[in-house]
Amino acid sequence: GQQLNQSPQSMFIQEGEDVSMNCTSSSIFNTWLWYKQDPGEGPVLLIALYKAGELTSNGRLTAQFGITRKDSFLNISASIPSDVGIYFCAGYRGAGNNRKLIWGLGTSLAVNP
Amino acid sequence: DAGVIQSPRHEVTEMGQEVTLRCKPISGHDYLFWYRQTMMRGLELLIYFNNNVPIDDSGMPEDRFSAKMPNASFSTLKIQPSEPRDSAVYFCASSFAGDRLAGINEQFFGPGTRLTVL
Repeated sequence: GQQLNQSPQSMFIQEGEDVSMNCTSSSIFNTWLWYKQDPGEGPVLLIALYKAGELTSNGRLTAQFGITRKDSFLNISASIPSDVGIYFCAGYRGAGNNRKLIWGLGTSLAVNP
Repeated sequence: DAGVIQSPRHEVTEMGQEVTLRCKPISGHDYLFWYRQTMMRGLELLIYFNNNVPIDDSGMPEDRFSAKMPNASFSTLKIQPSEPRDSAVYFCASSFAGDRLAGINEQFFGPGTRLTVL
């Protein structure tokens, strides 16, 4: 099935550093979602974006819905060890019963204390 | 409030055996999703239900896979016969259609079932 292009695939950073990851697609999306998956658990929603250009923050997390509606980024400021996990972008395309949620392959984040 | 409940958490079986994975969605949710997660393919939607009715099963890999939702509080994903390439983590998720009005559409995931087929 179709997937979003998510990058980087993995990151290894020092505690306190800022992190940036993004998702791109050749198709237009009308909602972007960012999820985090802790080891051994299911993904949990972090941020939802509904309008092109929208910039939303959730604590140390900031995400933006690209103007072209084909991309989104997630920034994490001042990383801490509990930020470790896999971050997924997901986007909704279509409407009604044709509305589909498409997932990126994830960015694996490791934080060195 | 309990989240999405899945059982078992881990399953190890031999090739050719039948495997049944179980899911209890969050009470009041009317959408239920089954996903498969592997390193190579990431999260793949297998099938989803709305009000217990299967809506889209285009992600089900082959006839060996089947899913049922006999009532609003229970769903199963069955693999018969299982093969080593079915080894993966299987997630169940649920959501509430009413949130569509607010554009949220948040899917709440269970902890997953890690399936190993030897």
